[in-house]
Amino acid sequence: DGGITQSPKYLFRKEGQNVTLSCEQNLNHDAMYWYRQDPGQGLRLIYYSQIVNDFQKGDIAEGYSVSREKKESFPLTVTSAQKNPTAFYLCATQALRDEQFFGPGTRLTVL
Amino acid sequence: AQTVTQSQPEMSVQEAETVTLSCTYDTSESDYYLFWYKQPPSRQMILVIRQEAYKQQNATENRFSVNFQKAAKSFSLKISDSQLGDAAMYFCAYRVNFGNEKLTFGTGTRLTIIP
Repeated sequence: DGGITQSPKYLFRKEGQNVTLSCEQNLNHDAMYWYRQDPGQGLRLIYYSQIVNDFQKGDIAEGYSVSREKKESFPLTVTSAQKNPTAFYLCATQALRDEQFFGPGTRLTVL
Repeated sequence: AQTVTQSQPEMSVQEAETVTLSCTYDTSESDYYLFWYKQPPSRQMILVIRQEAYKQQNATENRFSVNFQKAAKSFSLKISDSQLGDAAMYFCAYRVNFGNEKLTFGTGTRLTIIP
């Protein structure tokens, strides 16, 4: 069935480790987005990609990296440079001039 | 830069009553979209309703309607006949209608339904 999948649902990271969050879509949407959600702060944009092999920084890109080698996939790596990575991470996709559709999210906790 | 403000962190309403959630935004653009998203306890973001800035008529989706005041840069959401399933966080969001089409979100309003 069509949609956006994010994995894992829960992720635990030790300090100093890099971790990668997966986002896959079969909606054939060109644009994909990564958001971070903290309590009381709404959603903040980390990175976005409008076409394959191209991506741009959002408002809070420091300590994160992405790649867009395939239309269907937009993985997010949380590096050790991200000092406060504990948060809920949401991936979204969008067709041109349409609404954004969201995945179910990944909860990342630093131990 | 565009900003979206939701000044009500929490709201509550009796079941079957009507409630209005407020949203204001700041922009110098004339062509844009406004959205209300719902995030229930499952944390899945769901689109409730959207409004195109060049349309004067307020959008309506069943029990959900908006009051869009372009000059005042106000975009409130009215929920009629509130149901227990309406309990959620509600986020207002803005997007220009060209270019990178990034969404800018407000900080959200937590809506509680009182049985």
